[in-house]
Amino acid sequence: GAVVSQHPSWVICKSGTSVKIECRSLDFQATTMFWYRQFPKQSLMLMATSNEGSKATYEQGVEKDKFLINHASLTLSTLTVTSAHPEDSSFYICSARGVREEKLFFGSGTQLSVL
Amino acid sequence: AQSVSQHNHHVILSEAASLELGCNYSYGGTVNLFWYVQYPGQHLQLLLKYFSGDPLVKGIKGFEAEFIKSKFSFNLRKPSVQWSDTAEYFCAVNYNYGQNFVFGPGTRLSVLP
Repeated sequence: GAVVSQHPSWVICKSGTSVKIECRSLDFQATTMFWYRQFPKQSLMLMATSNEGSKATYEQGVEKDKFLINHASLTLSTLTVTSAHPEDSSFYICSARGVREEKLFFGSGTQLSVL
Repeated sequence: AQSVSQHNHHVILSEAASLELGCNYSYGGTVNLFWYVQYPGQHLQLLLKYFSGDPLVKGIKGFEAEFIKSKFSFNLRKPSVQWSDTAEYFCAVNYNYGQNFVFGPGTRLSVLP
């Protein structure tokens, strides 16, 4: 089956630094990728939807200047948390959907801890 | 490695039939359990979740799920499905309060009118 690779799986950074998270589709072309965030004891929250070659569409309340999303190719989308603060500490997970598929495939997630 | 399996890749039912979708997860410590649904053309929507307490959880749209710790299972049920329940259903497990979040491969449900 289709595989989505997300990297890194775990990152600790200092407040004020930026962190980049990569999401790759390994054996299919992902025309659409989704980025989610999960707070403890809550369900996933959709942050943004990115289509290859175009600007990401952000959900209400998500700061687009803070969470930069780039979907430059059909196999790679990146989420950059800029000037991270402790409140950005969370679990981030991506999912991808191919050209012919309605089905979603999920990355393994990234646990971000900002000190 | 922690993993989540769903028993069926594709389930086809007639309207009014009862539904049970299986979900099993590997041992990995404390778990929070979720069922998500993806309707055609839409993104994920939370159906229900289990954190603690009563192992029989009731969610939206008449769905419920039962957490059986001894069987590492969290099966989704609905007594009578409707055509509008046609969708992809994902079981997900959050291990150890966020250290790892694992989705099952999904089960496609097709309900025939």
